[in-house]
Amino acid sequence: GNSVTQMEGPVTLSEEAFLTINCTYTATGYPSLFWYVQYPGEGLQLLLKATKADDKGSNKGFEATYRKETTSFHLEKGSVQVSDSAVYFCALLNQAGTALIFGKGTTLSVSS
Amino acid sequence: DAGVIQSPRHEVTEMGQEVTLRCKPISGHNSLFWYRQTMMRGLELLIYFNNNVPIDDSGMPEDRFSAKMPNASFSTLKIQPSEPRDSAVYFCASSLGTYQETQYFGPGTRLLVL
Repeated sequence: GNSVTQMEGPVTLSEEAFLTINCTYTATGYPSLFWYVQYPGEGLQLLLKATKADDKGSNKGFEATYRKETTSFHLEKGSVQVSDSAVYFCALLNQAGTALIFGKGTTLSVSS
Repeated sequence: DAGVIQSPRHEVTEMGQEVTLRCKPISGHNSLFWYRQTMMRGLELLIYFNNNVPIDDSGMPEDRFSAKMPNASFSTLKIQPSEPRDSAVYFCASSLGTYQETQYFGPGTRLLVL
């Protein structure tokens, strides 16, 4: 079946450090892939997405590249800010387009 | 736009009581989703409506859970009777079309069943 595996958190970084949050998936075919972010006390917001292999999604300095060879969609940012502290969820859309499958989420904490 | 509106934001109730969670999707969106978030299981889709019709309710845990969407601007998720293991954050989300479209999440309802 479909599944998403994210690196366990929490991830603790200093401001301006480089961020990588790993995400791998198992699915039939080539699903669309997403990163959502959840700030404290709020609902999830779409951060970026990629709909086909080799696509790169980007937003607010975050990037992720759809790698079908490694079935991965790792999230990266070159220089994190305190305001990036949140929980990040990797997700895939199943082949039928009827369900978003989320990973467990990775908590990022950035200190100044 | 006000975004997806959920009420109440917090609910504390005793085991056995009926709980009703409410959601108002973004105007013009024709898909609505109910999710449950727990530490143990993460985010789980409970039910998906399209044009007010339930399309996929395979994630609804058991008969104690029911969801309705009487019109395009309102949906409810009801738990009767509630149990401590139902304690979670329940999110409502809406989108313009199918799952391919971006889903917009509400702030969630934090439910505690004692």
